[in-house]
Amino acid sequence: ETGVTQSPTHLIKTRGQQVTLRCSSQSGHNTVSWYQQALGQGPQFIFQYYREEENGRGNFPPRFSGLQFPNYSSELNVNALELDDSALYLCASSLQGENTQYFGPGTRLTVL
Amino acid sequence: AQSVTQLDSQVPVFEEAPVELRCNYSSSVSVYLFWYVQYPNQGLQLLLKYLSGSTLVKGINGFEAEFNKSQTSFHLRKPSVHISDTAEYFCAVSGNSNYQLIWGAGTKLIIKP
Repeated sequence: ETGVTQSPTHLIKTRGQQVTLRCSSQSGHNTVSWYQQALGQGPQFIFQYYREEENGRGNFPPRFSGLQFPNYSSELNVNALELDDSALYLCASSLQGENTQYFGPGTRLTVL
Repeated sequence: AQSVTQLDSQVPVFEEAPVELRCNYSSSVSVYLFWYVQYPNQGLQLLLKYLSGSTLVKGINGFEAEFNKSQTSFHLRKPSVHISDTAEYFCAVSGNSNYQLIWGAGTKLIIKP
């Protein structure tokens, strides 16, 4: 059974740029959630995708957007990057209707 | 709205000593409770979860937690810690109609030799 994978591992961008982060869900899981974890803090929920549609969103601006593909993999896109977007971005997969989420290793984004 | 409070940002403990990491939550609905562990520069690994049933939950690596509804707590315990338990531990809660996880700020477990 393949776990949750994320790419890239690390990324450095400058203010105003755009970034795309990728996530492959665990085998058999149809739901993907994205979280932002700033240094020294707990994760914050960005949004969740199920059946290729957004299924819930946290308190993040519209420049944070996502996609889910038919194979349940997902992308997180962030436009107009700000310094405060520097964080570890975590993807979690689950089966819709079940409460347990399984996390990937994360993508460390640094905005200069 | 739900929230989670982890009362200690750091807990230092000697190797082979017992440890308790505290977690309190607030919610107006039934909740599901989780403990995750994050080793340095890694993602989050599920330690244990409470969904329903027995209030004492056993997890991986010898950890256990007890759900106390009257005190709205879900404290994590281990009777004897090892140097390999050095990590940050996060408590999280979700409601039964919204699978979004709400997280505490984390507790760093520091094992002293």
